[in-house]
Amino acid sequence: GENVEQHPSTLSVQEGDSAVIKCTYSDSASNYFPWYKQELGKRPQLIIDIRSNVGEKKDQRIAVTLNKTAKHFSLHITETQPEDSAVYFCAAYFNKFYFGSGTKLNVKP
Amino acid sequence: DSGVTQTPKHLITATGQRVTLRCSPRSGDLSVYWYQQSLDQGLQFLIQYYNGEERAKGNILERFSAQQFPDLHSELNLSSLELGDSALYFCASSSSGRFTDTQYFGPGTRLTVL
Repeated sequence: GENVEQHPSTLSVQEGDSAVIKCTYSDSASNYFPWYKQELGKRPQLIIDIRSNVGEKKDQRIAVTLNKTAKHFSLHITETQPEDSAVYFCAAYFNKFYFGSGTKLNVKP
Repeated sequence: DSGVTQTPKHLITATGQRVTLRCSPRSGDLSVYWYQQSLDQGLQFLIQYYNGEERAKGNILERFSAQQFPDLHSELNLSSLELGDSALYFCASSSSGRFTDTQYFGPGTRLTVL
């Protein structure tokens, strides 16, 4: 089955800096890659997603890039704010969803 | 508030017991997903139902089963519970069975097995 690896496991940045979280997947048939944000004690929420026929997608301060050849995709958050502090999960879909292990992002004011 | 409800919020039980977790999807959503979130295993997809039928199966143990009823609510049954089953169980719903549909997560049920 699919295997999704996510790095780093923790990331600390200064407010206003950019943050990048990377995920790699093993099955080239995976065709959909969502990213979820989970604040402490709360439910996961979809923040952005990308399909395999698209290389990049942006939504305000958040962007996702996909490199199908290398089988990796990344989440980019620019101008980070303290409210961006949360755990971020990537996922890959091939017949079902496979999740990365999560990245705890801490944005220091 | 996502519109997805889950009951109970917390559940404490003993090894060997059986419990039922309940999920009501957002109004109009036909698909329900179940996930398990534990400290050592992270977030894992268990199973998906669409309009009463099983659509996809993930890492769901044989001791676990689920169903979706005609009113579209879903139940996850966990039996012969073990300590390792302690986790947060989320359900999510989406409008259709398409994998690209946004999934809206419920608040979760925290299961503690003693």
